[in-house]
Amino acid sequence: DAKTTQPPSMDCAEGRAANLPCNHSTISGNEYVYWYRQIHSQGPQYIIHGLKNNETNEMASLIITEDRKSSTLILPHATLRDTAVYYCIVRVASAAGNKLTFGGGTRVLVKP
Amino acid sequence: SAVISQKPSRDICQRGTSLTIQCQVDSQVTMMFWYRQQPGQSLTLIATANQGSEATYESGFVIDKFPISRPNLTFSTLTVSNMSPEDSSIYLCSVATVDNQPQHFGDGTRLSIL
Repeated sequence: DAKTTQPPSMDCAEGRAANLPCNHSTISGNEYVYWYRQIHSQGPQYIIHGLKNNETNEMASLIITEDRKSSTLILPHATLRDTAVYYCIVRVASAAGNKLTFGGGTRVLVKP
Repeated sequence: SAVISQKPSRDICQRGTSLTIQCQVDSQVTMMFWYRQQPGQSLTLIATANQGSEATYESGFVIDKFPISRPNLTFSTLTVSNMSPEDSSIYLCSVATVDNQPQHFGDGTRLSIL
């Protein structure tokens, strides 16, 4: 699986959009971009994933560049409960068989 | 998504002892995985629990230290054997279904060894 690079930490203002970048310059054509977050004392929570088109769900939006070498997770209106470590992971989405390789993630602190 | 329950949620154990962690899912799943998260670190995959056959272990993890069972499509156990303080970690179970849905995680078992 391709390796990802994320900033180690970032602060966000409550109520504002939070834009979390991820670089994955060695991504292969059949690898998806997945985002998870881990709130303190909980297991990782799936947020969103995509291949090449932008994706949106009730939690966030995922913007993938045309060359697929980077992506941005957008939390449209950050709340204090969004404080967590966010992980960007790339992997092949074959029939549930592939492991997730977690990097260091981005520690996001949402401030009032 | 599936509801995943892990037991115990936390424990404090003496060195040299063993502890078995249970992972129960409320629906049948194809894949079950066990991860370890050491203090202040990210998650590392220990093994894939295979139903009806031996688990598939990642580099650095061995069956004698982390025996795994998976008797059916909704249940798996991980045993941490002959524990030492270095085994103090959070152990997490995750599951995935056959229809390409993302993996989902339990809340983990926080283990401290004295």
